[in-house]
Amino acid sequence: AQSVTQLGSHVSVSEGALVLLRCNYSSSVPPYLFWYVQYPNQGLQLLLKYTSAATLVKGINGFEAEFKKSETSFHLTKPSAHMSDAAEYFCAVSDTGGFKTIFGAGTRLFVKA
Amino acid sequence: NAGVTQTPKFQVLKTGQSMTLQCAQDMNHNSMYWYRQDPGMGLRLIYYSASEGTTDKGEVPNGYNVSRLNKREFSLRLESAAPSQTSVYFCASSQDYSGNTIYFGEGSWLTVV
Repeated sequence: AQSVTQLGSHVSVSEGALVLLRCNYSSSVPPYLFWYVQYPNQGLQLLLKYTSAATLVKGINGFEAEFKKSETSFHLTKPSAHMSDAAEYFCAVSDTGGFKTIFGAGTRLFVKA
Repeated sequence: NAGVTQTPKFQVLKTGQSMTLQCAQDMNHNSMYWYRQDPGMGLRLIYYSASEGTTDKGEVPNGYNVSRLNKREFSLRLESAAPSQTSVYFCASSQDYSGNTIYFGEGSWLTVV
């Protein structure tokens, strides 16, 4: 069975600081992993996606995530936070084995000036 | 390109009233979904349609019904609204049931009084 855990429901960083949002997953088959972002009063949109081509995945707005099989992790990072990064971020796991996508509970990112 | 369009955007219902949330996608996707989002609870899948002609229960189906009208349209019906159904509802679609990016509508804010 698949599952995904996001550590920390809220993360607060200063503008210009490193952003690190944590995600751990479990999957019985090689996973597809996603990060989605939700800005206030909007739907979710894809930030980046891992599909086994490369372990370091680059997404939009300077975000990237690294797939670490040994740690079953897919943490999201950005070197320098911007005020516009304030949003809720969802990690998700799926695969091509017939399992539907499972979303984590979400992490709300606050960026302080 | 409209993507996923859902209506209405806002609705206030009285307890016991019924209503239907409409959703349409123009991406020729096979799979469609209805989620609800509540504070602190992330996204919860209500119903999904893996392909035209099929529908299945998700995590929280009680009190809801769905209809996959055709490949484009997937509606969610509340037969007798309850205050516990006050939530933000998202329709979404993807090319196939697993392993694909999910595209979300902008959300429908429903209040049941």
